[in-house]
Amino acid sequence: RKEVEQDPGPFNVPEGATVAFNCTYSNSASQSFFWYRQDCRKEPKLLMSVYSSGNEDGRFTAQLNRASQYISLLIRDSKLSDSATYLCVVNIRDSSYKLIFGSGTRLLVRP
Amino acid sequence: EAGVVQSPRYKIIEKKQPVAFWCNPISGHNTLYWYLQNLGQGPELLIRYENEEAVDDSQLPKDRFSAERLKGVDSTLKIQPAELGDSAVYLCASSTGVVNEQFFGPGTRLTVL
Repeated sequence: RKEVEQDPGPFNVPEGATVAFNCTYSNSASQSFFWYRQDCRKEPKLLMSVYSSGNEDGRFTAQLNRASQYISLLIRDSKLSDSATYLCVVNIRDSSYKLIFGSGTRLLVRP
Repeated sequence: EAGVVQSPRYKIIEKKQPVAFWCNPISGHNTLYWYLQNLGQGPELLIRYENEEAVDDSQLPKDRFSAERLKGVDSTLKIQPAELGDSAVYLCASSTGVVNEQFFGPGTRLTVL
């Protein structure tokens, strides 16, 4: 089982739609969580950190459920420019810190 | 402020040849990472440096891969000899600490023929 699992998609949604991605992690020693965005043939860039109390940044909302070991990303009012791959990232602390990336969920927003 | 710089951006070599990638992190970032990313996959950590010390190289295939960060600033990742399966994008990232946001460079796309 992968340490961080994501539905690869693609999620194909119309502009203005609300879409949600989930990500599950297997290591209970996971301490911090992030969503990164990666455009085609570009490098990953931090979209937002995920806090225990949940957090919102404009149209984006991230939530963490430690009991069930998953994090989620909700995008409201989707824009064409939201089309990208969204990477779930988990920072695990066992003997050291280790950042584990999921394989990503691809989002396509159509006109 | 300049971002993470990597060179070359693209490299095509024949198998069994050596290849080297260079990375210059954001100024002041003590933590430097090398990742490998295959198509359709997330980045996989190869090695992490804190200043000039390699603190996590458990995923680095040491029979053919080596890395250095001699002065705690820029870094070089080498593959010798390259194999067909090494074709991938090699990403360098830096941060101010292991729990902080990582900033990625544009990557080097390696093709081994």
